[in-house]
Amino acid sequence: EDQVTQSPEALRLQEGESSSLNCSYTVSGLRGLFWYRQDPGKGPEFLFTLYSAGEEKEKERLKATLTKKESFLHITAPKPEDSATYLCAVHVQGAQKLVFGQGTRLTINP
Amino acid sequence: IAGITQAPTSQILAAGRRMTLRCTQDMRHNAMYWYRQDLGLGLRLIHYSNTAGTTGKGEVPDGYSVSRANTDDFPLTLASAVPSQTSVYFCASSSDRGREQFFGPGTRLTVL
Repeated sequence: EDQVTQSPEALRLQEGESSSLNCSYTVSGLRGLFWYRQDPGKGPEFLFTLYSAGEEKEKERLKATLTKKESFLHITAPKPEDSATYLCAVHVQGAQKLVFGQGTRLTINP
Repeated sequence: IAGITQAPTSQILAAGRRMTLRCTQDMRHNAMYWYRQDLGLGLRLIHYSNTAGTTGKGEVPDGYSVSRANTDDFPLTLASAVPSQTSVYFCASSSDRGREQFFGPGTRLTVL
């Protein structure tokens, strides 16, 4: 069965304290991996798409990387406004739907 | 502003009533999706449409129906609402199946 697991479930950081979120997957064939940010009471906001191992994407303080088994979302010198739940999803070859992880709830304290 | 709109923002509904959640996108995307998001269960796909005129079932389709008469609109209907359908519903679209999906703001539905 295709599975996506995100860790940790929750993470508290001080402002400026860099860290990484993990998304590990076991799927029959990866067509793409997506990262989203979700603020409370809002819909997921698209951040990145990664298609192949070794690929990296950056946006402001966020950088996403991909290997054959997992993806990392690196957050450098985070600010309180980076607080949100970060979701990872994979598109499996031949499947219609995305498989979503449960998310990591990130809190950045000032 | 380009994107996805959903209506209503929130709704309280008596069990047994019929309800249609509306979704409109202006990005000319081919594919559209309906998800529900519940605490501890994450996002689950209800129905999808790869292109206007076609629809398919997701992982939790029972009690829901959809139609795709044109590219822009993808309404979700609950024929006879039950309390277990209390959830937050998100509509999403993508340029094609398998590409990144863009989500609407959601509809918070409570069935009493």
